[in-house]
Amino acid sequence: GQQLNQNPQSMFIQEGEDVSMNCTSSSIFNTWLWYKQDPGEGPVLLIALYKAGELTSNGRLTAQFGITRKDSFLNISASIPSDVGIYFCAGRRDSGGSNYKLTFGKGTLLTVNP
Amino acid sequence: GAVVSQHPSRVICKSGTSVKIECRSLDFQATTMFWYRQFPKQSLMLMATSNEGSKATYEQGVEKDKFLINHASLTLSTLTVTSAHPEDSSFYICSASRWDLTDTQYFGPGTRLTVL
Repeated sequence: GQQLNQNPQSMFIQEGEDVSMNCTSSSIFNTWLWYKQDPGEGPVLLIALYKAGELTSNGRLTAQFGITRKDSFLNISASIPSDVGIYFCAGRRDSGGSNYKLTFGKGTLLTVNP
Repeated sequence: GAVVSQHPSRVICKSGTSVKIECRSLDFQATTMFWYRQFPKQSLMLMATSNEGSKATYEQGVEKDKFLINHASLTLSTLTVTSAHPEDSSFYICSASRWDLTDTQYFGPGTRLTVL
């Protein structure tokens, strides 16, 4: 199946540093979602974006829906050890109904050194 | 909240046997459930979409006769891996969308399947 281009694939940072990651697509999405997955667990929704240009925050996390609808960014400020995990972007094209299918990025593995 | 559970969390089986994985929405009614497969260090790949009371819609390349999906109620969907082989070993994750919050998919904790 189709996947989004997510970068970087992995990051090793020091506690307290800021983190940025992004996803790009060759086609338009109506919704962008960012999930975090801990080892051996299912993904947990962090932020959902519904409008082009939208900028949304959730605590230390901020995400933006690109104006072209083909990209999205996630920033984490002042990282802490519990931020460790795999972050996935996901895009959705359907504009209505309950059969929403998500297309996932390949993930960004974040490691935070205390 | 919106909690989704999966059972079992881990299963080890012999090659040729069938394995059933359950996905339940604990505190909401799920109009649609999705089944994903995730190989180590890879992303989630959608296998099929299932609506309560109707046949599942499988993604291209996913064998519907091998991965049987039943969505008999608004809170339960099952995935049966028939005649499992070692290459079916993977992390299987379900998600459920709420009828009143169809924008959001809530994921289960996943099931680790190992086929010997």
